[in-house]
Amino acid sequence: NAGVTQTPKFQVLKTGQSMTLQCAQDMNHEYMSWYRQDPGMGLRLIHYSVGAGITDQGEVPNGYNVSRSTTEDFPLRLLLAAPSQTSVYFCASSTDRGPGHEQFFGPGTRLTVL
Amino acid sequence: AQSVSQHNHHVILSEAASLELGCNYSYGGTVNLFWYVQYPGQHLQLLLKYFSGDPLVKGIKGFEAEFIKSKFSFNLRKPSVQWSDTAEYFCAVNGAYEKLTFGTGTRLTIIP
Repeated sequence: NAGVTQTPKFQVLKTGQSMTLQCAQDMNHEYMSWYRQDPGMGLRLIHYSVGAGITDQGEVPNGYNVSRSTTEDFPLRLLLAAPSQTSVYFCASSTDRGPGHEQFFGPGTRLTVL
Repeated sequence: AQSVSQHNHHVILSEAASLELGCNYSYGGTVNLFWYVQYPGQHLQLLLKYFSGDPLVKGIKGFEAEFIKSKFSFNLRKPSVQWSDTAEYFCAVNGAYEKLTFGTGTRLTIIP
């Protein structure tokens, strides 16, 4: 049971490039989400999904796309990378988005956009 | 909309000192409250959570938190910290049918 896995661990992009951050979980969790972590700002929700085929925007969705074709995978796409997207990205999953449910986090991807 | 405030940005303590990290939230209804910890170079993991019942919640590694509804607070405490408690601590809240909202985090440094 690997939990939540993310690849890559580190990535450097140039402004305008695109890339996909991968996230997978093997716990059969319905709810998955992407956060970005910036100094002094905590974690902010980018996008989330309550099940395969269903996604929705979080607090800071601009510049990011997601899809959820399977229960296991929830990739995050940066369409045209900008320096403001330099951050640490965490994927998380949970059995439900309802009250009291713990979210399990992946190890994170540290992204630098030059 | 719900929000979370962590007023201590960086706390420095000596080993064996007592710890209290503040967390205040704003939300008009029933809430669920969490403390997550992020050790250096690691991902976030749950320390403890409250969603009903006894307002004094005990978590892993000797941590506890008390939900005080009248003060909209959920402060984290530990009677005697260790060097291994050095980490960043995040308070989080979600109201019914709301997404999880995190505070800005408190960096805790324990001096041996």
